[in-house]
Amino acid sequence: EAGVTQSPTHLIKTRGQQATLRCSPISGHTSVYWYQQALGLGLQFLLWYDEGEERNRGNFPPRFSGRQFPNYSSELNVNALELEDSALYLCASSRSRQNGETQYFGPGTRLLVL
Amino acid sequence: KQEVTQIPAALSVPEGENLVLNCSFTDSAIYNLQWFRQDPGKGLTSLLLIQSSQREQTSGRLNASLDKSSGRSTLYIAASQPGDSATYLCAVKYGNNRLAFGKGNQVVVIP
Repeated sequence: EAGVTQSPTHLIKTRGQQATLRCSPISGHTSVYWYQQALGLGLQFLLWYDEGEERNRGNFPPRFSGRQFPNYSSELNVNALELEDSALYLCASSRSRQNGETQYFGPGTRLLVL
Repeated sequence: KQEVTQIPAALSVPEGENLVLNCSFTDSAIYNLQWFRQDPGKGLTSLLLIQSSQREQTSGRLNASLDKSSGRSTLYIAASQPGDSATYLCAVKYGNNRLAFGKGNQVVVIP
């Protein structure tokens, strides 16, 4: 069974540009989560999608947005990039939106904003 | 506020010694607690998950305990090996499926 996959593995952008990150959950999983791991700040919860809808959002500005497609894959969009958006972005998936479900993580996309 | 703290932030031990990593959390209304391993620049590998009703979980050389009332979890790694060198993250699941992470214990096992 394939795990959570993310693309691209690395992304380099300049300030003010937009970045799009992609995530494919484990087959059969309906929930997708996005986390940001910036240097020195630890992992921060960004967004949660389930069944195509945004279910919860972390303490991030509106220029961080995303969506979930009918096949449960997800995109994270970051508009008007700032230098401090440079981070490892991790995607996770779970079988359902029940709280007891385990979240399985992908390898991440490393975003560098110059 | 739901905060997760891991102490120590970094430690080095000689090969063969037992590792003890601590995690504390401020809000005890948790669903579960999970320990992850992260190698430099990589994603997360789940090690152990303890449901809120459980006291401990074991997998091979790893043992994790949970004391929900005092807001603490401890990860024990027996007979450490150089391959255990990594950052270990503690994550607590609260409502709305949100995982709150500590900043990690960076471990170096010296051959």
